[in-house]
Amino acid sequence: RKEVEQDPGPFNVPEGATVAFNCTYSNSASQSFFWYRQDCRKEPKLLMSVYSSGNEDGRFTAQLNRASQYISLLIRDSKLSDSATYLCVVNINGGKSTFGDGTTLTVKP
Amino acid sequence: ETGVTQTPRHLVMGMTNKKSLKCEQHLGHNAMYWYKQSAKKPLELMFVYNFKEQTENNSVPSRFSPECPNSSHLFLHLHTLQPEDSALYLCASSQSPDRTRGIGYTFGSGTRLTVV
Repeated sequence: RKEVEQDPGPFNVPEGATVAFNCTYSNSASQSFFWYRQDCRKEPKLLMSVYSSGNEDGRFTAQLNRASQYISLLIRDSKLSDSATYLCVVNINGGKSTFGDGTTLTVKP
Repeated sequence: ETGVTQTPRHLVMGMTNKKSLKCEQHLGHNAMYWYKQSAKKPLELMFVYNFKEQTENNSVPSRFSPECPNSSHLFLHLHTLQPEDSALYLCASSQSPDRTRGIGYTFGSGTRLTVV
């Protein structure tokens, strides 16, 4: 089993739709969680950290469920510019960060 | 422009060539990383440096040789590469490998390497 698992997609949604991605992790000692966005042929960029209480940044909401060992990313009112690959990143205290394989989102007009 | 600068952006090299990739970060971070990303594949961690000391080598072939002269600079020396080494090579930096502060990585724009 992979340390970090994501549904690769692709998710194809119309503009304005709400879409959610989940990411599961296997190590219960994981402490820090992030969502990154990677556009085609570009570097990954930090989208948002994920906090225990959940956090929101505009149209984006991140949640952490420690009991079930998953994090989620919700995108409301999807824009064409949201089309990208979304990477889940999990870090164990004092250890390296592990990247998921990514979920590809395509928002269509 | 990000706080992590990689050069060159593109590189084409023959299998007998020797070349080096350079990474420089201006963020005051203490840890630097090399990642490889082949076409339509996930990121693969290659090397980790923390305070100039290599703390991880993820079973990378010896034809890839990293060098970290200080906390701001990281090099990846390449020699006798194979065509399957063609990929996007990404450098990243962070405050430290310990992510408990909730601070993520900053990536450079990458070097797109083609081995012919």
